[in-house]
Amino acid sequence: DIQMTQSPSILSASVGDRVTITCRASQSISTWLAWYQQKPGKAPKLLIYKASSLESGVPSRFSGSGSGTEFTLTISSLQPDDFATYYCQQYDSYLLLTFGGGTRVEIK
Amino acid sequence: QVQLQESGPGLVKSSETLSLTCALSGYSISSGYYWGWIRQPPGKGLEWIGTVYHTGDTYYNPSLKSRITISVDTSKNQFSLKLTSVTAADTATYYCARLGAYGFHIFDYWGQGILVTVSS
Repeated sequence: DIQMTQSPSILSASVGDRVTITCRASQSISTWLAWYQQKPGKAPKLLIYKASSLESGVPSRFSGSGSGTEFTLTISSLQPDDFATYYCQQYDSYLLLTFGGGTRVEIK
Repeated sequence: QVQLQESGPGLVKSSETLSLTCALSGYSISSGYYWGWIRQPPGKGLEWIGTVYHTGDTYYNPSLKSRITISVDTSKNQFSLKLTSVTAADTATYYCARLGAYGFHIFDYWGQGILVTVSS
């Protein structure tokens, strides 16, 4: 199994801050990584795929980078609508898709 | 616009079978893509349950494989999940979703989710 570990688990930040979330894979997954945003009571929303490709309609303040085992999701200037929980997902192995444990971004 | 809607009982007794259906609108399941189930226990993270292709080919999470069946009904434009011998650990919000955007096993369209509680 490919384990995905996110850090931090909780991040306190203010509007306008630059925010970075890290996701580490237990083995190399090339760039087969996606990021999702989930708000309370809602389904996750796809933000980024193939580590750095922005999904259509997602604001450009979101960006992703990384390859192999270490990946980051960056929000360049945190907006009120961005307070949510973020998950990474590896799809290197379609026979066992796995998610990170999540990072909750909360208001400082 | 692709839309997915989960349906099924919100309460299931321990040791019984959980059965959920995901109805599609705005897209024909026969046209392609993969379709999957994901669950999220209250206050916890996401767990992939399994995936079905429109042909009926399936991929299951090994940790659940002995208890799950995912099937597709092209005539009704829907797919289904059955999870047997449920316990309290199966209490979760269950989501159905589409996979396969850009040719990748990523989830681009999701249902709203349905909370299923397992009672003793």
